[in-house]
Amino acid sequence: AQSVTQLDSQVPVFEEAPVELRCNYSSSVSVYLFWYVQYPNQGLQLLLKYLSGSTLVKGINGFEAEFNKSQTSFHLRKPSVHISDTAEYFCALNSGGYQKVTFGTGTKLQVIP
Amino acid sequence: EAQVTQNPRYLITVTGKKLTVTCSQNMNHEYMSWYRQDPGLGLRQIYYSMNVEVTDKGDVPEGYKVSRKEKRNFPLILESPSPNQTSLYFCASSLTSGANVLTFGAGSRLTVL
Repeated sequence: AQSVTQLDSQVPVFEEAPVELRCNYSSSVSVYLFWYVQYPNQGLQLLLKYLSGSTLVKGINGFEAEFNKSQTSFHLRKPSVHISDTAEYFCALNSGGYQKVTFGTGTKLQVIP
Repeated sequence: EAQVTQNPRYLITVTGKKLTVTCSQNMNHEYMSWYRQDPGLGLRQIYYSMNVEVTDKGDVPEGYKVSRKEKRNFPLILESPSPNQTSLYFCASSLTSGANVLTFGAGSRLTVL
């Protein structure tokens, strides 16, 4: 079985401050990990993904994430957030060969002017 | 433009009145999936399809049916909707499952009275 945990349901942060959104996963096999972003009243779109290789993954809009196998984590970071980053962020997992993608419960990032 | 199209975007219906939410993709993707999004629960998979005539249950299939007669279409059928099926529904597709990125539709907000 595979699972994804996003412990923070909401994260308020001031504009231009750094942010980290946490994601932990559980899987007994190799994993593919994703972060998706959902802007208000829109569908989800890919922010970044980890398939293999370098554990530091860079995505769109200045976001990056680090895959940590020993801590089973895939935290999302941005050094300086903008108002336009206000959205809900979902961590997702697919275990190698498994047919479905499991999503976390989401973290709402609120950027305060 | 590569996209996943869902219809209707908004629907209010009454308990027991059969309805279908359509989903169509123009990317020749093999994998298609339906999710429902509820506050605090994230995205939960309802059904998925690996290819034409191949479908399987996700985490919350009760009360739903799907079919995959053509590669591009994957309709979600609610035979007898109930109020607990009030939710935001997303259709998504990818080239195959596993490492491939999901492309999401814009969502269908369903209210069952």
